[in-house]
Amino acid sequence: SQTIHQWPATLVQPVGSPLSLECTVEGTSNPNLYWYRQAAGRGLQLLFYSVGIGQISSEVPQNLSASRPQDRQFILSSKKLLLSDSGFYLCALSSGRGYNEQFFGPGTRLTVL
Amino acid sequence: QKEVEQNSGPLSVPEGAIASLNCTYSDRGSQSFFWYRQYSGKSPELIMSIYSNGDKEDGRFTAQLNKASQYVSLLIRDSQPSDSATYLCAVKRGNTDKLIFGTGTRLQVFP
Repeated sequence: SQTIHQWPATLVQPVGSPLSLECTVEGTSNPNLYWYRQAAGRGLQLLFYSVGIGQISSEVPQNLSASRPQDRQFILSSKKLLLSDSGFYLCALSSGRGYNEQFFGPGTRLTVL
Repeated sequence: QKEVEQNSGPLSVPEGAIASLNCTYSDRGSQSFFWYRQYSGKSPELIMSIYSNGDKEDGRFTAQLNKASQYVSLLIRDSQPSDSATYLCAVKRGNTDKLIFGTGTRLQVFP
């Protein structure tokens, strides 16, 4: 069965510091991968999605970027964090076939101080 | 108008009752609909998906879809305190792989 790993689970970073969040998946090949952010009291916001290695689509212009260096690895980065970057970051996958249901990883809770 | 709308709640129901959660969407071309359960501090968990008009049952859960009214609902029978969570409605946008989420309805089941 497919598994999504995210780390770290929690992170506290100062404003202006860099960020790197990693997502790796197991038990599937050629998945679609997604990064979402859930801010306190708000809905899930799609940030990036990828249909393959090196293929990244950005949904919201901001100071974040994403990369997919391997089929089962998806990385979210920032050069300089803002207070507004605080939130719950979720990686998700779908098979890219059929009904394409999305499944979420455990998430990383980021607090920017 | 939001693309996917849900009442934020909380919806409070007694243990053993039926909980009814509702969701409306704006894109008439949407074809796939999903319900996720999210416990506080945890990530969303897919509990139901529905693609055709009518009802789909899975254990204590029933999803209902009415495309003409652009309405999807989730019924939870014999509600348990462990069902207390936020329920997120998600709609697949057009013929893309992107999901649009509602802000969720918080359900509280009291003993």
